[in-house]
Amino acid sequence: DTGVSQDPRHKITKRGQNVTFRCDPISEHNRLYWYRQTLGQGPEFLTYFQNEAQLEKSRLLSDRFSAERPKGSFSTLEIQRTEQGDSAMYLCASSLESTNTEAFFGQGTRLTVV
Amino acid sequence: GNSVTQMEGPVTLSEEAFLTINCTYTATGYPSLFWYVQYPGEGLQLLLKATKADDKGSNKGFEATYRKETTSFHLEKGSVQVSDSAVYFCALRGSNYKLTFGKGTLLTVNP
Repeated sequence: DTGVSQDPRHKITKRGQNVTFRCDPISEHNRLYWYRQTLGQGPEFLTYFQNEAQLEKSRLLSDRFSAERPKGSFSTLEIQRTEQGDSAMYLCASSLESTNTEAFFGQGTRLTVV
Repeated sequence: GNSVTQMEGPVTLSEEAFLTINCTYTATGYPSLFWYVQYPGEGLQLLLKATKADDKGSNKGFEATYRKETTSFHLEKGSVQVSDSAVYFCALRGSNYKLTFGKGTLLTVNP
């Protein structure tokens, strides 16, 4: 069991640049979630997928954010024209569809926009 | 909407002291409740969970009981260790499977 894997672990980018993060869920998990965590706060839900279908997006996910999960396996989260306010830890989690199973989190990608 | 309120801390204790971190929630329906722990530089790890009223979740000496009447899920441990130093998050999962987290409580245990 390799767990949920996120890449890169850290990303520093200049304001206005585009960035893309990758998440590889636990292999048999069909649900995949993205959360954002800012300093001193709990994670906030961004979006989730069941297989390849994106089923819900938070109001936090502006038009500059897009997420995909082609073929229901790995997922990517892209931020276009980054702003300093995008600096945060981006967490990915996965779970089975079954009602009482928990979500397993990756170690996150820390984004710093300078 | 769903929300979680937890004691923000920071909490500083001596080794072997008793720990309580309060957590209350607001939710429609019958949510599942969780405590996650985040060690420095690492992602979130599930500590314990409870899926229905009066369930008690337990792990590594930590316990929490799902109290529907008080909408609470307080985390307790009888004797903390230095290795328990971390940030603890209370969370609920509603019918749409997404987690709603509290702001986290930083626990520091001194030898």
